[in-house]
Amino acid sequence: GAGVSQSPSNKVTEKGKDVELRCDPISGHTALYWYRQSLGQGLEFLIYFQGNSAPDKSGLPSDRFSAERTGGSVSTLTIQRTQQEDSAVYLCASSFGGPGHDTQYFGPGTRLTVL
Amino acid sequence: RKEVEQDPGPFNVPEGATVAFNCTYSNSASQSFFWYRQDCRKEPKLLMSVYSSGNEDGRFTAQLNRASQYISLLIRDSKLSDSATYLCASYNQGGKLIFGQGTELSVKP
Repeated sequence: GAGVSQSPSNKVTEKGKDVELRCDPISGHTALYWYRQSLGQGLEFLIYFQGNSAPDKSGLPSDRFSAERTGGSVSTLTIQRTQQEDSAVYLCASSFGGPGHDTQYFGPGTRLTVL
Repeated sequence: RKEVEQDPGPFNVPEGATVAFNCTYSNSASQSFFWYRQDCRKEPKLLMSVYSSGNEDGRFTAQLNRASQYISLLIRDSKLSDSATYLCASYNQGGKLIFGQGTELSVKP
């Protein structure tokens, strides 16, 4: 079946611009997660959505970062006024059940480069 | 102390060798553990889930030691295609999946 998909695969932007990254989770998965991975680093949790509950935003690095999940499916991660340190691969994952137990499956990521 | 810590890499081994990675975790209440494989410039792909004492899949064996709070990954008869970074992950008390920094494996001919 279809896995997690993300778009765009690559995004190059200028410092100060806003960007939107999209994630389509696996059909039927109730939980959706966003992570960031900088070059040579581990995965850094950003935010997760579980069903209709309020999202856990505790990992967002600044108020320039926000995310939405519409209709319990597609999610958009928005970074406003991008900075060079925002350059990283942004990975989305989804799981059938909520966090704490279930396996998370990752999308291919969006590689963001801020010039 | 980091919530999930892995053996520092890189591990350079010849084809056919057996190699083992260890991963320690701090949340004693965690019930779910995962090993992911990540190839260069690719997303992590699930290698194995560990919910009880261990799991085995072909050449790969994961073992969980709750008393010492670590999980291990054993790869037997290493192949060139096993070269990748191996990520260990465990859920913390807040329900977040925490990843280790990863261990790089390079299998040489």
